Amino acid sequence: EPEVTQTPSHQVTQMGQEVILRCVPISNHLYFYWYRQILGQKVEFLVSFYNNEISEKSEIFDDQFSVERPDGSNFTLKIRSTKLEDSAMYFCASSEALGTSGRDNEQFFGPGTRLTVL
Amino acid sequence: AQKVTQAQTEISVVEKEDVTLDCVYETRDTTYYLFWYKQPPSGELVFLIRRNSFDEQNEISGRYSWNFQKSTSSFNFTITASQVVDSAVYFCALSEAPGGGADGLTFGKGTHLIIQP
Repeated sequence: EPEVTQTPSHQVTQMGQEVILRCVPISNHLYFYWYRQILGQKVEFLVSFYNNEISEKSEIFDDQFSVERPDGSNFTLKIRSTKLEDSAMYFCASSEALGTSGRDNEQFFGPGTRLTVL
Repeated sequence: AQKVTQAQTEISVVEKEDVTLDCVYETRDTTYYLFWYKQPPSGELVFLIRRNSFDEQNEISGRYSWNFQKSTSSFNFTITASQVVDSAVYFCALSEAPGGGADGLTFGKGTHLIIQP
């Protein structure tokens, strides 16, 4: 069964450092997402990406964040200068299309990257 | 704006009891999609179900069942004969499109379900 993969599974960084979280969406999917879950809290939408550009972003997704699809397979989230409050689990997700309701058109989540900022 | 409310922060039951997790949602969209996800202690999000707003039929899958009531904007989840392996955090979520839509999924705060042996 196809799956979304994320690397690394756990990243520890010092405050102020840049981090890049990597995701490989399912190969025929067109829509990509990043979500954040601070420990013990709900999962929050950060950004959606389609056709090589951001579709929507939440107010959490400020200038410190950026996303990129550098090649045909990877989808990355970069945090330019990490803060303590960026410590969270980051989930990548992908879906095939927006408009159809076929069984396969669900949003698939990756296993997450746990980011710890010291 | 969309909103999902899971008023039960934590529920603890003894194994084999039935348990219902509540979910109430708000949306201005006439077409929308509701989801339940399970998050075990290992942290991943496990998809359980997706329902369309125009299909109010309840669904049963093994020990799991879902009660969708548009009139009360609720999408409740019942586990029958609970087992210790059901212990997890359960999230209800809402989106404008089946695959998530441009705005992605809006999640509730989750209900931590503890099944005691």
